[in-house]
Amino acid sequence: SQQGEEDPQALSIQEGENATMNCSYKTSINNLQWYRQNSGRGLVHLILIRSNEREKHSGRLRVTLDTSKKSSSLLITASRAADTASYFCATDPISSGSARQLTFGSGTQLTVLP
Amino acid sequence: DVKVTQSSRYLVKRTGEKVFLECVQDMDHENMFWYRQDPGLGLRLIYFSYDVKMKEKGDIPEGYSVSREKKERFSLILESASTNQTSMYLCASSPTGRRNQPQHFGDGTRLSIL
Repeated sequence: SQQGEEDPQALSIQEGENATMNCSYKTSINNLQWYRQNSGRGLVHLILIRSNEREKHSGRLRVTLDTSKKSSSLLITASRAADTASYFCATDPISSGSARQLTFGSGTQLTVLP
Repeated sequence: DVKVTQSSRYLVKRTGEKVFLECVQDMDHENMFWYRQDPGLGLRLIYFSYDVKMKEKGDIPEGYSVSREKKERFSLILESASTNQTSMYLCASSPTGRRNQPQHFGDGTRLSIL
């Protein structure tokens, strides 16, 4: 079952602009994670935010989490052409077992134009 | 560095064939996962394993089986391949028991069933 839903499905911006992607989910979570996927490759973990955190930074990435609204956003500042990729949110539900299986959304395709 | 290796990047098989997709990880992770990825549907969990010889169904197990005879290796088996199993298959691993751990992905196998 899909828990995370990203918005927008596709985003096209100019190099140097900021890109914001949103994720909504349905159930209570332990954490929410963002992954990046370059075309034809596997997913790479970007950042994890715990349910008791509201904001987290890593380099040019800023993630926010609002558990009352069950939503998260990923902000990429000063985007570069190399940021062109698909971005996925994934939730670790409280109900998941010891394997901590994640539930992924359908992703946002980001295109950064040079 | 964590490494998850999938045996083939591209694979072409015929309808009715038995197909094996192999995944090996070198991090001594207990958990391993198989996903399929289709446009607009994100990642969907097929099967996962939390220990050697242990397996659990994910969201879409029909038509698939798995094998985990050694901790580092997790195999996905298509018992009788059908055209609707044409997809990108992604393997991932993670350590068990600890919350707030990301999954580590292989580069994927793009499987075409003719």
